[in-house]
Amino acid sequence: SQQGEEDPQALSIQEGENATMNCSYKTSINNLQWYRQNSGRGLVHLILIRSNEREKHSGRLRVTLDTSKKSSSLLITASRAADTASYFCATDPQTGANNLFFGTGTRLTVIP
Amino acid sequence: NAGVTQTPKFRVLKTGQSMTLLCAQDMNHEYMYWYRQDPGMGLRLIHYSVGEGTTAKGEVPDGYNVSRLKKQNFLLGLESAAPSQTSVYFCASSYSLAGAYTDTQYFGPGTRLTVL
Repeated sequence: SQQGEEDPQALSIQEGENATMNCSYKTSINNLQWYRQNSGRGLVHLILIRSNEREKHSGRLRVTLDTSKKSSSLLITASRAADTASYFCATDPQTGANNLFFGTGTRLTVIP
Repeated sequence: NAGVTQTPKFRVLKTGQSMTLLCAQDMNHEYMYWYRQDPGMGLRLIHYSVGEGTTAKGEVPDGYNVSRLKKQNFLLGLESAAPSQTSVYFCASSYSLAGAYTDTQYFGPGTRLTVL
C-alpha cells in the first residue's frame, strides 16, 4: 500500500498545549500534504511540503519532512478547542499517477 | 465561488438499485477525484479524471463507473448497489501541475450513502 500511516490514532490535549502528529510512508514522494476534517465535513487542505523542503510554517502550523526516514510531522502550537478535528497526511508518490494516498488520520481533541 | 459541490447529501438505497452521484466544481480545475471514506480506513480513491473526457481507475474501482463529459462535472455511478458500498463519498478537484505532481485538492462536503 502507498498509504501514509499517522501516529497516534487519537490525541487529547488541553487548550493552549501543543499537538504533534506524525506520518510515515513507504514510497518516494513528490510532496506530502496535510488535511483537516471536522466531523461530518469534507477535508480542508492545510499545508503542502515538497520533497526538497525540510520545514514549512503556516500560522500556528509547523510541518517537517524527513525523506531519508520517510516521515513527516505536523505541529499545532497553542491549540484551541476549534482545532478539534481529524488530521490526515497524504502523499504524492513519484509514480506519475497524479493522485494522492491518504492515511487513516489522527483524531485530535482539544479540551477547553 | 461555490467551490466543489456534491448532490445528493444523503441517500438510502436497497440492494440492487442504481444511482448517480454528481460532483460539480467552478474553479476550472483539470483534475477531479472520487473517494470513499470508511471508519478506520481513511480515504480510498475510486476513480479519477485528468481532464474532460478522460477517466482512470483508482485503488477501489470495482462496482463503480464514472463519466466526465463536461470539465466542471464528474459523475459517479453505482449500477447495482451492495451493502459493502455503504460509505461516505467525497469528490475533490485540483489544478494540474507541470510534470507528474499532484497539487492541493479541494473537497466537497460529502454524500452519505446507505445500502440496505
